Amino acid sequence: QQQVKQSPQSLIVQKGGISIINCAYENTAFDYFPWYQQFPGKGPALLIAIRPDVSEKKEGRFTISFNKSAKQFSLHIMDSQPGDSATYFCAASTISNFGNEKLTFGTGTRLTIIP
Amino acid sequence: DGGITQSPKYLFRKEGQNVTLSCEQNLNHDAMYWYRQDPGQGLRLIYYSQIVNDFQKGDIAEGYSVSREKKESFPLTVTSAQKNPTAFYLCASSRGLGGQAYSNQPQHFGDGTRLSIL
Repeated sequence: QQQVKQSPQSLIVQKGGISIINCAYENTAFDYFPWYQQFPGKGPALLIAIRPDVSEKKEGRFTISFNKSAKQFSLHIMDSQPGDSATYFCAASTISNFGNEKLTFGTGTRLTIIP
Repeated sequence: DGGITQSPKYLFRKEGQNVTLSCEQNLNHDAMYWYRQDPGQGLRLIYYSQIVNDFQKGDIAEGYSVSREKKESFPLTVTSAQKNPTAFYLCASSRGLGGQAYSNQPQHFGDGTRLSIL
């Protein structure tokens, strides 16, 4: 059962453009939504995360938009650069009693930035 | 530098053979995790451990086993019962019990082990 649906599977964006990746979730108990960036042959690295009490979070060129009523959230990469070419995963979890979360991941988006 | 070390980077398994993947962390994290990554399927949780000498099954535990005898180590054994072991295996850790309760502790990942069948 896919609890976090991610689209598109792959995305090609011109340098300087805006990259947008979308995710939708089903479990209304989810209350933490991180995005991970993964380069080939490497493990994922946390990029940015949001809690559902805010509708948007921005860190540099990366912005998460969150729509609680629609159960959707998205990653926007402004002024996309070739160095942003990677696979991006959205994820969702609930806060546990012990501060560690069991993450449910989307299926990933392979982003390619072309000159 | 603090981090998570996975070894080996590449591993080959013969039919009917058990193999063990190593994961070591020096972040002083309580919680550790093992994920399997297949193309087009994202990351799926195999096992996780919140504290030494304790671990729980994740979503796809069949054919795998783990141990957590030391805080810094969480080895994964892929047994012969796992019929489709070819995948990229990722280990992660987070502060868990060492962190603030009811808050989110980010997971930090190693650089993975790629397991293939001979």
